Amino acid sequence: DVQLVESGGGLVKPGGSLRLSCAASGFTFSSYGMNWVRQAPGKGLEWVSSISGISSYIYYADSVKGRFTISRDNAKNSLYLQINSLTAEDTAVYYCARDLYWGQGTLVTVSS
Amino acid sequence: EIVMTQSPATLSVSPGERATLSCRASQSVSTNLAWLQQKPGQAPRLLIYGASTRATGVPARFSGSGSGIEFTLTISSLQSEDFAVYYCQQYNNWLRVSFGQGTKVEIK
Repeated sequence: DVQLVESGGGLVKPGGSLRLSCAASGFTFSSYGMNWVRQAPGKGLEWVSSISGISSYIYYADSVKGRFTISRDNAKNSLYLQINSLTAEDTAVYYCARDLYWGQGTLVTVSS
Repeated sequence: EIVMTQSPATLSVSPGERATLSCRASQSVSTNLAWLQQKPGQAPRLLIYGASTRATGVPARFSGSGSGIEFTLTISSLQSEDFAVYYCQQYNNWLRVSFGQGTKVEIK
């Protein structure tokens, strides 16, 4: 079965940084593009960033461009999101997703 | 960027009644359209993909239709567990997905 497990969320001060991870299993990780999607409290789903199977193509939403960096380690079946210069507007549950499969999410709270 | 627009924002329905949710894309996505269900505190759950194919374990009362830019999710007879928020998602390019703003189905 496809499994995606996020980790790395937490409470961080404005201007701070975090590195989110997503551990994938149950499929050939390098064969699939991966996405990060976030959901602010009480809001809808927002696509954040994508990376192709061998990292040839990378895309970001305008709202995070220049602050977030997506990466992957196919040897470790892992996806990452480095998030820098955090503001309160980045407070959200961050989901790792592979086409039609979703993880359970990790909560990032930005507050002083 | 493909913009997805859902209507209505909120749908008030009595248990046992039919619910019809709409989703429109700003440009054609063929049938690269999924419907997701989300309950409070939970991750989104896949209901429909390919515009009309039910995901594993999804009850037959859920059906999807449409292609191009207009799509519909129909719940034939609402059960108590169906009251939730529903999102449409286009995946014309799996690296550039986008979502509608959601339709909340609430008890009338």
